[in-house]
Amino acid sequence: GAGVSQSPSNKVTEKGKDVELRCDPISGHTALYWYRQRLGQGLEFLIYFQGNSAPDKSGLPSDRFSAERTGESVSTLTIQRTQQEDSAVYLCASSRGLPNQPQHFGDGTRLSIL
Amino acid sequence: AQKITQTQPGMFVQEKEAVTLDCTYDTSDPSYGLFWYKQPSSGEMIFLIYQGSYDQQNATEGRYSLNFQKARKSANLVISASQLGDSAMYFCAMNGGSTLGRLYFGRGTQLTVWP
Repeated sequence: GAGVSQSPSNKVTEKGKDVELRCDPISGHTALYWYRQRLGQGLEFLIYFQGNSAPDKSGLPSDRFSAERTGESVSTLTIQRTQQEDSAVYLCASSRGLPNQPQHFGDGTRLSIL
Repeated sequence: AQKITQTQPGMFVQEKEAVTLDCTYDTSDPSYGLFWYKQPSSGEMIFLIYQGSYDQQNATEGRYSLNFQKARKSANLVISASQLGDSAMYFCAMNGGSTLGRLYFGRGTQLTVWP
């Protein structure tokens, strides 16, 4: 596709349930990033994948959060036992993996925990 | 670690005027990149402009220019000839050093353009 695609666009779930968010990066982009944006806030880094290297997980807020990526394709972000403070927009971005290349963002998944 | 500071929660500008959005950063790394993104109310993040720490000239992209003052660690975004469609949240971000992949974002500046 032409841009980064994320699904679902909206997700409402009950506290304690697990959720899985999907990101399909721009074709040819080796790097993939997940960020979280709480209402009225800036973006908070979660995790970064670059090619076949070990991912940078330093931004994951707890062990309830995990993410996977197969090769240079789709990534899934999983949140287990969701809490109300997990409510946010989860943004995925991809890039060519070079430091001077911009990250291109998807439209995000708006997650609401009841 | 890198840090970005945007001190203007909101800015107002009249259509066709120029506006400067402030951004200061903090890093001990000699090599880093600075980015500006626009986020309209619809939520998407739109890349506007990039400046590398070793770039000798200020970056420009159409109506956007980056006023890069390395010694002062500032990277202000200048929007010339503002348009109503420029109304949005603007984020300054940087990468660099050992955490080259991730971007560090400021809290953003909400720009409102009035006719």
